[in-house]
Amino acid sequence: GAVVSQHPSWVICKSGTSVKIECRSLDFQATTMFWYRQFPKQSLMLMATSNEGSKATYEQGVEKDKFLINHASLTLSTLTVTSAHPEDSSFYICSARDRRRETGELFFGEGSRLTVL
Amino acid sequence: KQEVTQIPAALSVPEGENLVLNCSFTDSAIYNLQWFRQDPGKGLTSLLLIQSSQREQTSGRLNASLDKSSGRSTLYIAASQPGDSATYLCAVRNAGNMLTFGGGTRLMVKP
Repeated sequence: GAVVSQHPSWVICKSGTSVKIECRSLDFQATTMFWYRQFPKQSLMLMATSNEGSKATYEQGVEKDKFLINHASLTLSTLTVTSAHPEDSSFYICSARDRRRETGELFFGEGSRLTVL
Repeated sequence: KQEVTQIPAALSVPEGENLVLNCSFTDSAIYNLQWFRQDPGKGLTSLLLIQSSQREQTSGRLNASLDKSSGRSTLYIAASQPGDSATYLCAVRNAGNMLTFGGGTRLMVKP
């Protein structure tokens, strides 16, 4: 299957700092990537849809000024958590669709665990 | 708004048992349905993808069925192994690219 890579896999930061998470499609191009958030023992909640070359589309309740998304190329999307606070501690997962595949199957990264002290 | 429910939320079985995980969704106008596996602290691994026009997909010991009209899908795992222990998530894709996830089923297969 197609490979999606996230970096870093885990990060610990102080409250008030900003953290950037990268999502890369390694062997395919993705015009659209998706960012999810997952709290312990809960399912994934879509935060935003990242579109290459245009602004991201945020889900209701997600602060776009706090969760900055940039999709500068067909293989890279970044999520920056600005002025992070302890309540932002969570598991962030990205996904991408290989546009060569007609099935519409989505592939997910390994996730990035953010801990804000 | 699409809602996806998975039952049971947790399941513990002895090794070797065949088991069924259930997924139901409220809006039958789906594009496809995907089953994923998630190990603790890890991302999602795609197991099976069923298009809206299909009724089932098989991969090894896994078989997923889809009854779109009744809003249900099942994931059948044959001859379960301890390595199958994980959380299983189903996700439904409606028009557009958005996936709606169920709450997952945490499976424990005991040796």
